[in-house]
Amino acid sequence: EVQLVESGGGLVQPGGSLRLSCAASGFTLSDHYMDWVRQAPGKGLEWVGRSRNKANSYSTEYAASVQGRFTISRDDSKNSLYLQMNSLETDDTAVYYCTRLAVVAATRTYYFAYWGQGTLVTVSS
Amino acid sequence: DIQMTQSPSSLSASVGDRVTITCRASQSISSYLNWYQQKPGKAPKLLIYSVFSLQSGVPSRFSGSGSGTDFTLTITSLQVEDFATYYCQQSSSNPWTFGQGTKVEIK
Repeated sequence: EVQLVESGGGLVQPGGSLRLSCAASGFTLSDHYMDWVRQAPGKGLEWVGRSRNKANSYSTEYAASVQGRFTISRDDSKNSLYLQMNSLETDDTAVYYCTRLAVVAATRTYYFAYWGQGTLVTVSS
Repeated sequence: DIQMTQSPSSLSASVGDRVTITCRASQSISSYLNWYQQKPGKAPKLLIYSVFSLQSGVPSRFSGSGSGTDFTLTITSLQVEDFATYYCQQSSSNPWTFGQGTKVEIK
């Protein structure tokens, strides 16, 4: 059974840093694209960034709103994904979800197949 | 960025009703359209991918249709457990974007 468990959220002051972790189980992490998606309180969903799989050299990409401040990394030996968040702003306050993508090979259609339960990050002074 | 617009933003319906939610993309996304259901305090859950493919375990009362820029999620015979917020999402081009959500409430 695929499971994703986020941790590391909490209260941080503007300008501060935080590292979120996502513990994955039930699948081989290196085989899969992994994304972070966030949801501000009472708001909709926003894609944050992506870590591609080993076959794609673990390349990453980010939403413009976090580019240069957030970094996604992974440790396949620990089956873990990370989101390093620096220079945090009040607008970064949200629940952060770790997700595993799936793909329809024939059409190269990707989608968020599995979601963790989320971890809340609050940026406030 | 591709903008996804859902309508309505909210609706009230009764158990047994047929419910239709529409999603419009600001440019053609072919068939790269997925739907998610989210209940309060919970993570989103995949319902439908690639416009009409039902995720394993999702009841057949859910269905999707459309192509290009206009898409529809239909729930035939709404059940109590279907009261939730629904999001469409495009995976045609980066950054992937979501609709603003449609909240389905009990009438």
